[in-house]
Amino acid sequence: GAVVSQHPSWVICKSGTSVKIECRSLDFQATTMFWYRQFPKQSLMLMATSNEGSKATYEQGVEKDKFLINHASLTLSTLTVTSAHPEDSSFYICSARDWGQEGNQPQHFGDGTRLSIL
Amino acid sequence: DQQVKQNSPSLSVQEGRISILNCDYTNSMFDYFLWYKKYPAEGPTFLISISSIKDKNEDGRFTVFLNKSAKHLSLHIVPSQPGDSAVYFCAASSKGAQKLVFGQGTRLTINP
Repeated sequence: GAVVSQHPSWVICKSGTSVKIECRSLDFQATTMFWYRQFPKQSLMLMATSNEGSKATYEQGVEKDKFLINHASLTLSTLTVTSAHPEDSSFYICSARDWGQEGNQPQHFGDGTRLSIL
Repeated sequence: DQQVKQNSPSLSVQEGRISILNCDYTNSMFDYFLWYKKYPAEGPTFLISISSIKDKNEDGRFTVFLNKSAKHLSLHIVPSQPGDSAVYFCAASSKGAQKLVFGQGTRLTINP
């Protein structure tokens, strides 16, 4: 159980393009999902917390107009990198927690999306 | 301010031996701790967790120890297997908080 699916796994596109990444919880409902970014050989950096039916909460230094988050249902959150530039190239990972379970529960992660902007 | 620290960027262990990965934290409000395993170009996989009301949790070959007074936790893997070679992240959260704070990761290499 607790499977998180992320799509696409790899994107290569031209500078100026907007790219949408989907994150789905397959066997549980996730009122909250999380979006991370990982630079090579570094830790995971939380970008934003995605809340179903309301605005996302962005971490300090993350441009909300650059990284648009939509959490329209209990099983789907999307991250859109708008007008992407080479410096946006990175590994983006989403996670979700099964809030239907009691007590402390781990976040489960998708397999990530490698974004390369040419 | 690095609230969760993994001071060893890499660790090499012989197959069959015990692997011990360490993690220190500074925030006394943390009450839930997790270990994740990550392969390149994949998302982290949850391994094991521990609540602050416990000092040990065991799941098969994996055991996590928590020393609250020292603000230190460790992950023991025994016996170590080649498939355990990966980057291991420790993470922590505080009561009521949804966010996880991750350490920098330790690259574990199991040598045959």
